[in-house]
Amino acid sequence: AQSVTQLGSHVSVSEGALVLLRCNYSSSVPPYLFWYVQYPNQGLQLLLKYTSAATLVKGINGFEAEFKKSETSFHLTKPSAHMSDAAEYFCAVSSNRDDKIIFGKGTRLHILP
Amino acid sequence: DARVTQTPRHKVTEMGQEVTMRCQPILGHNTVFWYRQTMMQGLELLAYFRNRAPLDDSGMPKDRFSAEMPDATLATLKIQPSEPRDSAVYFCASGLGGDYSYEQYFGPGTRLTVT
Repeated sequence: AQSVTQLGSHVSVSEGALVLLRCNYSSSVPPYLFWYVQYPNQGLQLLLKYTSAATLVKGINGFEAEFKKSETSFHLTKPSAHMSDAAEYFCAVSSNRDDKIIFGKGTRLHILP
Repeated sequence: DARVTQTPRHKVTEMGQEVTMRCQPILGHNTVFWYRQTMMQGLELLAYFRNRAPLDDSGMPKDRFSAEMPDATLATLKIQPSEPRDSAVYFCASGLGGDYSYEQYFGPGTRLTVT
């Protein structure tokens, strides 16, 4: 069985500060890992994905995430937060055995002026 | 710019009424997913299809929900009869499946309110 745990349902950072959103996964097989973003009143959009290539993955809008097998983590970071980053972020896990993606509960990111 | 489309975007109905939500996946995508999002439960997978065949509908209340793909360009999610606890945002997503299964493209959602 696969699952993801996102630490913190709400995270607030000041504009220009580092963004760090935490995600830990559980998987009995080598995982595929993703971060999706949801802006208000919209569907989810893929930010970045890890599929067993480079452990440091770069995505859109300046975000990146690092796969750490020893820590079973896939934390999302951005060096400098922008007001437009305010959204809900979902960590997700999948395997190559079926098409399903298991989503975490989400972390709402607030950007303080 | 290929997108998943969903209709209607908003639906308000009374308890007991039938609700039908429609989704047009991106042309060429062979997997379609239905999700429900609520504040309490987050994002839940209701059902998904590959090549129009239902593969997993274990997340769906069978007594009142049904999901179909009449053809490759249309997926439907039906609730009959609807109940207030069905109030949620329902998302459809499509993907290429197989090695590209992680790329799910989401529609804008249907916001359902059952009074």
